[in-house]
Amino acid sequence: AQKVTQAQTEISVVEKEDVTLDCVYETRDTTYYLFWYKQPPSGELVFLIRRNSFDEQNEISGRYSWNFQKSTSSFNFTITASQVVDSAVYFCALSAFQTGANNLFFGTGTRLTVIP
Amino acid sequence: DAGVIQSPRHEVTEMGQEVTLRCKPISGHNSLFWYRQTMMRGLELLIYFNNNVPIDDSGMPEDRFSAKMPNASFSTLKIQPSEPRDSAVYFCASSHGTSGTDTQYFGPGTRLTVL
Repeated sequence: AQKVTQAQTEISVVEKEDVTLDCVYETRDTTYYLFWYKQPPSGELVFLIRRNSFDEQNEISGRYSWNFQKSTSSFNFTITASQVVDSAVYFCALSAFQTGANNLFFGTGTRLTVIP
Repeated sequence: DAGVIQSPRHEVTEMGQEVTLRCKPISGHNSLFWYRQTMMRGLELLIYFNNNVPIDDSGMPEDRFSAKMPNASFSTLKIQPSEPRDSAVYFCASSHGTSGTDTQYFGPGTRLTVL
């Protein structure tokens, strides 16, 4: 069974603070992909990153960085020097190659509020 | 390039009425997905198509829901008759490949309110 847990329901930070959003996943498949999506107040779902299970290198994109650790089944997302525009709900998602289920398993999301 | 297009963006209807949601996937994408988002259940997959063929509709709540994809550039999700508990945001997404591990790109969603 596939499962994604985002234990942090809501986080508030003051602008320019760093913030880390946690994501823990469960899967029995050896080949899988992890994703992060952003849902701003306007409601659309914006793709941020896709990472496969064989690539544990951390990734940095501007103020965003992702830490993938298979040993702890975690794929955490850090925003450096947060800005008000980062306020959104962030979803972590999992897709496994062998399950035959051609879909994403989403976590329940973390609502980030950046206070100016 | 145009992203996934959904229409209408908002729909308000009365219980018992038929509702049709529309989606145009990204050109060249081979898979199309319909999701529903509610506060109680989060994001849940309703149905997906590969090359216009429905592959898995196990997420469709009941027979009142039906989805079609007559061609590669258009899909509909129909609810007949609608009920208040169908109120939700419905997202359409598309991906290039036919594997669920491909990146899915989402449309803006249709916010459905059934009174």
